[in-house]
Amino acid sequence: DTEVTQTPKHLVMGMTNKKSLKCEQHMGHRAMYWYKQKAKKPPELMFVYSYEKLSINESVPSRFSPECPNSSLLNLHLHALQPEDSALYLCASSQDGGAGGYTFGSGTRLTVV
Amino acid sequence: EDQVTQSPEALRLQEGESSSLNCSYTVSGLRGLFWYRQDPGKGPEFLFTLYSAGEEKEKERLKATLTKKESFLHITAPKPEDSATYLCAVFFGNEKLTFGTGTRLTIIP
Repeated sequence: DTEVTQTPKHLVMGMTNKKSLKCEQHMGHRAMYWYKQKAKKPPELMFVYSYEKLSINESVPSRFSPECPNSSLLNLHLHALQPEDSALYLCASSQDGGAGGYTFGSGTRLTVV
Repeated sequence: EDQVTQSPEALRLQEGESSSLNCSYTVSGLRGLFWYRQDPGKGPEFLFTLYSAGEEKEKERLKATLTKKESFLHITAPKPEDSATYLCAVFFGNEKLTFGTGTRLTIIP
């Protein structure tokens, strides 16, 4: 299995809703990442988990809450989002912290209404 | 601050018209440079990894090269299915990939 699987593929949520994005990989990679990508922009790093521990938080607002239940799973909990948070949310994983490159999932298209 | 710049921002080519995309970076201690292809609404798809100046990698119509301060992605005789955004990213060993702004490539039949 050489894939990173993200669910759901599309999500529409209201500003008072709570939802979660899920990411799964079975490649034995030790690091997992959340990225946010706006239209016609490059991906922007949000969080890095290394060996299931949060190692980098790029000053992301607390309405985004990451969780890494085990080495194969990564969640992003969403609460009280704003319309400007609408974007493509990408999960990625790497075997060695990045030197060998990242494998990306296909993303979750999030729309906040 | 480490920066990665890609040019051109957008490129339109006729089918079969070869060209090159550029990725330049201002950084010391480069640990790796990566090229990705991204289709609209999808995640980036890995193409190549380059680690040292002089290194070259090839895959079908694509060839990536690396110098001390820049990388080129050469596309030979492109086809419409090569239309996508091509992203380069640089790894400095700090658990982060720094992405360039991308080149939107359109191949016209």
